[in-house]
This record gives sequence, structure tokens and C-alpha cells, in this order.
Amino acid sequence: GENVEQHPSTLSVQEGDSAVIKCTYSDSASNYFPWYKQELGKGPQLIIDIRSNVGEKKDQRIAVTLNKTAKHFSLHITETQPEDSAVYFCAASHSGGYQKVTFGIGTKLQVIP
Amino acid sequence: ETGVTQTPRHLVMGMTNKKSLKCEQHLGHNAMYWYKQSAKKPLELMFVYSLEERVENNSVPSRFSPECPNSSHLFLHLHTLQPEDSALYLCASSQDVGGGALNEQFFGPGTRLTVL
Repeated sequence: GENVEQHPSTLSVQEGDSAVIKCTYSDSASNYFPWYKQELGKGPQLIIDIRSNVGEKKDQRIAVTLNKTAKHFSLHITETQPEDSAVYFCAASHSGGYQKVTFGIGTKLQVIP
Repeated sequence: ETGVTQTPRHLVMGMTNKKSLKCEQHLGHNAMYWYKQSAKKPLELMFVYSLEERVENNSVPSRFSPECPNSSHLFLHLHTLQPEDSALYLCASSQDVGGGALNEQFFGPGTRLTVL
């Protein structure tokens, strides 16, 4: 089955700096890679996703990159703000029949004002 | 109500109690999920229902019993739990279970369960 590894487990950055979270996956058939943000007291929420036919996707201050050959993908947050502080999860799944979503362990991001 | 709602938000129970967690989705989705979230562990998928039929039971102990009476409601019945079952239990729904973007999970806020 799929295995998703995520690092770092915790990350502290100064407000305004960039933050990068990296994930690797094991199943070469995976073709959909969502990122979720979980704020305190809430469930995870999708913030951005990328499919395997795209190498990079950007949405305002967040971007994801995907390297299919190396089987790794990354989340980049620029100009971080205190409200970016949360736990971020990467995940992987693929199409075709029933395919569960496999999550990484999560990265706790703290943005220091 | 919008999205995915869960009740109760907090639950404290003894090992001999029986309780139930409730989840309701208002998104018109066909699939619903139970996850267990423990500190320093990945989200653990427990059960998946598609159109009210269970499609995955991820080796979950029988002291957890799911019920899906219709595509909008999902329950998790709990009995004779152990202290190590204390965790945040998250419900989610998705449009379908077909993989890819159809699997985009919409999560509820979770029930924080403490077993004494």
C-alpha cells in the first residue's frame, strides 16, 4: 500500500519568511496530492492540491511542487503570517476504483510575529 | 448547517460505558469516513462507507461499531473502550470513493474522546 512520509514534524519561522514542507510517497500509481491545514479545534481543510500531470501549482502565497520521478512533493508558503500557524498534512491517492487517501504525519508550523 | 457537523465535540467516558458519536454531512456526498487522530501519528482511517455500504474496515477492534443509516449520517458506537482509545475522532465526507479529486475529504471538527 501507499506510504507517505512528511518532514519536518515541527517548523518555526519568523513572520514574513518562507516555510517549506516536504513529503515523499511510495506508490508510483499515486496521481493526486492534496494538502490540508488543521487549525486548533478544527478538522483538516484542503488548501491546495496537485495532480501528476502538473509540476507546480500556485495560489496566492502558497505553492506546491511535484517531482514524479523522485516521488516527492512540497508545500511552499511565502510571506508567512501568524494566521498560517497550524498543522499541515500532505496526502496521496490515485484514481481507479476505491482508493483511500494516505496522509503524512503532519507538520506543526509556528509563525513567530 | 453547512459542511460536516459532529456531535458531541467532547466526550469523557468510563471503560464500561456505551456512547455514540454522530456525524452529519450537508454536502450531498456519497461517501463518509471515520478517522482516528492521535498525537504524533498519521491520521488513521477506520471505516469508509459508500452509498451506505461499508467498503473498508481498517482492522478496527470490535469495540468500535459504525452505522450508516443513509448517505448523510454516520455514527460510531463505542463500548468497553480502553484508555488508549482516547483521541480526536474525525468524520469526513467526499463526493465519491473513485480516487483522485473525487476523494477530496471534507472534515468535521471532530469529537475529542477521553476514556478514563
